[in-house]
Amino acid sequence: NAGVTQTPKFQVLKTGQSMTLQCAQDMNHEYMSWYRQDPGMGLRLIHYSVGAGITDQGEVPNGYNVSRSTTEDFPLRLLSAAPSQTSVYFCASTLQGGGTEAFFGQGTRLTVV
Amino acid sequence: KQEVTQIPAALSVPEGENLVLNCSFTDSAIYNLQWFRQDPGKGLTSLLLIQSSQREQTSGRLNASLDKSSGRSTLYIAASQPGDSATYLCAVSWYGGATNKLIFGTGTLLAVQP
Repeated sequence: NAGVTQTPKFQVLKTGQSMTLQCAQDMNHEYMSWYRQDPGMGLRLIHYSVGAGITDQGEVPNGYNVSRSTTEDFPLRLLSAAPSQTSVYFCASTLQGGGTEAFFGQGTRLTVV
Repeated sequence: KQEVTQIPAALSVPEGENLVLNCSFTDSAIYNLQWFRQDPGKGLTSLLLIQSSQREQTSGRLNASLDKSSGRSTLYIAASQPGDSATYLCAVSWYGGATNKLIFGTGTLLAVQP
């Protein structure tokens, strides 16, 4: 049972480039979310989903897009990378919203130069 | 605004000590509160989840308590070990929003000295 898998683990982008961070879970969890972690600021919610076809914005959604075409996958797209998006990105999933523990992936460390 | 605060930001203790980590939150209408552990360069691992109707949860040497009226939770670690060294994060979800919307504190970095 792999849990939550994020790819890639590390990425360097040039300003203006686009890319997709992948997140997949094999636990049949309905709820998935993306966070970014920055020094001194903790984890902040970017986007979240409560099921296939349903997504919504979190605290810091600007510059990011998401879609949820299947229960298993929840990719995060950076449209035009900026240095301010340098961060560590975490994907999380839960079986039911709030009723059970959240499972996190190992993170993607992104540097935008 | 719904916020979560953790104090202290860092803590160093000798091995064997019992210790308490603190988490405070605004707005008592929480759905649940979770404590996580994060090792350097790694993801988060859930330690304990307390539902709003519960007062505490226990797992091994860990005990988490919840007092909604005062907006506080504590994580008690008994007989600390060097392997407990990590960052401990508190996260809250509130009623009125999607319950997988977690608001995190900035964490407490714990170092247990052998």
